[in-house]
Amino acid sequence: DSGVTQTPKHLITATGQRVTLRCSPRSGDLSVYWYQQSLDQGLQFLIQYYNGEERAKGNILERFSAQQFPDLHSELNLSSLELGDSALYFCASSVEFRVSNTGELFFGEGSRLTVL
Amino acid sequence: ELKVEQNPLFLSMQEGKNYTIYCNYSTTSDRLYWYRQDPGKSLESLFVLLSNGAVKQEGRLMASLDTKARLSTLHITAAVHDLSATYFCAVLRFPSGSRLTFGEGTQLTVNP
Repeated sequence: DSGVTQTPKHLITATGQRVTLRCSPRSGDLSVYWYQQSLDQGLQFLIQYYNGEERAKGNILERFSAQQFPDLHSELNLSSLELGDSALYFCASSVEFRVSNTGELFFGEGSRLTVL
Repeated sequence: ELKVEQNPLFLSMQEGKNYTIYCNYSTTSDRLYWYRQDPGKSLESLFVLLSNGAVKQEGRLMASLDTKARLSTLHITAAVHDLSATYFCAVLRFPSGSRLTFGEGTQLTVNP
């Protein structure tokens, strides 16, 4: 158990709908990352938050948005869903990167989204 | 743009055999990570390699890092069925948010 909690574990919805995925980081971790894993694209970095602020953005679609709340949990909002959005969405957390630490990411169990 | 390439992408091997998975990356980085993923499951951290020449071993797996060649290897010794999984290498991209860029993954199947 990595200590990163994601809900829901599975989600089935229809095209055009909107869903919210939730992530609680490990205790003490200020950084939260969202990754999308699909069969044809591998593990794609979407976005990173650090202590409530956006730190880095990857290949995140405009239909997707995220935020990190004062209690450090994060939500990933996916709207106007398309069939191609079906994927496993991972949240990961880490301590703030320093030369003195490993920079290791700890991953949650993922949220499997199926868009029909 | 940082690119991370693994090979092979698919590996089928017999129990008891040895093999090596390679991970090449395109820009300077001193940190390299190996993760294991079972089908439909989370990513489990295996090794963190923090400097040139670093070597880490755990059971039948050994990872090494050559930052000059921008190459990491994951060596499997005397494979057993329980090692069947997908193995990812990832490179730290700092200071661009300290995120990891992952390779495509190597799907390993160990046959009895």
